[in-house]
Amino acid sequence: RKEVEQDPGPFNVPEGATVAFNCTYSNSASQSFFWYRQDCRKEPKLLMSVYSSGNEDGRFTAQLNRASQYISLLIRDSKLSDSATYLCVVAPDRGSTLGRLYFGRGTQLTVWP
Amino acid sequence: EPEVTQTPSHQVTQMGQEVILRCVPISNHLYFYWYRQILGQKVEFLVSFYNNEISEKSEIFDDQFSVERPDGSNFTLKIRSTKLEDSAMYFCASSEGGIAKNIQYFGAGTRLSVL
Repeated sequence: RKEVEQDPGPFNVPEGATVAFNCTYSNSASQSFFWYRQDCRKEPKLLMSVYSSGNEDGRFTAQLNRASQYISLLIRDSKLSDSATYLCVVAPDRGSTLGRLYFGRGTQLTVWP
Repeated sequence: EPEVTQTPSHQVTQMGQEVILRCVPISNHLYFYWYRQILGQKVEFLVSFYNNEISEKSEIFDDQFSVERPDGSNFTLKIRSTKLEDSAMYFCASSEGGIAKNIQYFGAGTRLSVL
């Protein structure tokens, strides 16, 4: 059973579009949730943490539904620079830090002019 | 901005050879990790390390793998006898620790090519 599942895409959208990505996770003990972005052949970089109440960072909004074990990311007013693979990441807590991160396979986004 | 640094950026080796991948975590971080990503696949956890010992390892991290913190700054991953299927991008990560400081920051990775 896959720990984290994402729609792989690709999503191809014009500049200025709004796009949403979804993710589900299987381990109800997961405590921490993140969206990372990964450019081609580069390292994952943290985009934002995801909180139960939902949170927003500029054009990016993340939502968490613990009951459905579902995480979403909304990108408004897409920019060319948003083109990347978006990784859904979950982790259990282990005392004073996180346990291993579980990554989804990622959703590929291409924003065209 | 502090960053995790990894060397080399690309390592080419013959099957059966030993390789050591090196990482310098962010200086005040206490928790260290290795992940790998086979081309076209997801990022997979290998091992976590804290207080000079392994705190968790995955099923991938078998007897061919080992980790070490030989001094106060370096964190290494050794593969004793490389196999073709070890070809992947290997990412080192570190975190400061503490529930509010548990973000894992990744290095740029070492691309390992086993021939």
